Amino acid sequence: GQQVMQIPQYQHVQEGEDFTTYCNSSTTLSNIQWYKQRPGGHPVFLIQLVKSGEVKKQKRLTFQFGEAKKNSSLHITATQTTDVGTYFCAGQTNAGKSTFGDGTTLTVKP
Amino acid sequence: NAGVTQTPKFQVLKTGQSMTLQCAQDMNHNSMYWYRQDPGMGLRLIYYSASEGTTDKGEVPNGYNVSRLNKREFSLRLESAAPSQTSVYFCASSEWWGASSSGANVLTFGAGSRLTVL
Repeated sequence: GQQVMQIPQYQHVQEGEDFTTYCNSSTTLSNIQWYKQRPGGHPVFLIQLVKSGEVKKQKRLTFQFGEAKKNSSLHITATQTTDVGTYFCAGQTNAGKSTFGDGTTLTVKP
Repeated sequence: NAGVTQTPKFQVLKTGQSMTLQCAQDMNHNSMYWYRQDPGMGLRLIYYSASEGTTDKGEVPNGYNVSRLNKREFSLRLESAAPSQTSVYFCASSEWWGASSSGANVLTFGAGSRLTVL
C-alpha cells in the first residue's frame, strides 16, 4: 500500500537556525498537505501543494513539491520558539487515499 | 463557529468495557474521519465517512465501529476495549473526500480524546 516516509523524526535546533523536514511517498501523489501540531494540541492545516515543482511561501516557511510529485519538503528559516511542534505531511493519491507521514518533532532552544 | 467538537476529552476504561466517542462539526462538511495517534507515530485512519449515509474502513479498523448519525455527527465505538487501543483519538472533517486542488479535502481536526485502557 501507499507509504509516506518523513525524516528526520526529531530535530533540535538553536533559535535562529534553519530547519527542514522531508517527506517521501512510495507512489505518485495528486497533492500533498502539511499540518502542524503544537505540543498537547491537534493538527492544524498549513498548506496544500498540487502542481509538480510547486513552491509556496508563508513568511519564514517554504514548502516544495517535487517534480515527480513523490516528495516534498518544509523549510523554516531562522526558527523561533513559536515554531516548536510536530510537522506532518499527508500525501493524497488520485484515488483519494490520503496517508500521513510519522511527523518531525521540532524543538527550539532559546 | 466551534468547528469540530469531540467528547469526552479524557476517558479511562478497563479491558473489555465499551464506550463511544462522539464527534460533531458545524461547518456543513460532507466528509468525516476518525484517526488515532500513538507516540512517535503519525495519524492513522480508522474509519471515514465520505458523505452522509456511507462509511468505509481506513488503515486500522479492527476493534472499532462507526456510525454517521447525520451530516453533523460521526461516532466511534469500541465494543470491547483492549490495552492496544490506548491512544489519542482525533475526529476530523473536510468539505469533500478525495483528491482536490481546491482545498475541499483539507482536514479540520477536533481537539482530541485521550483514551487509556487498563
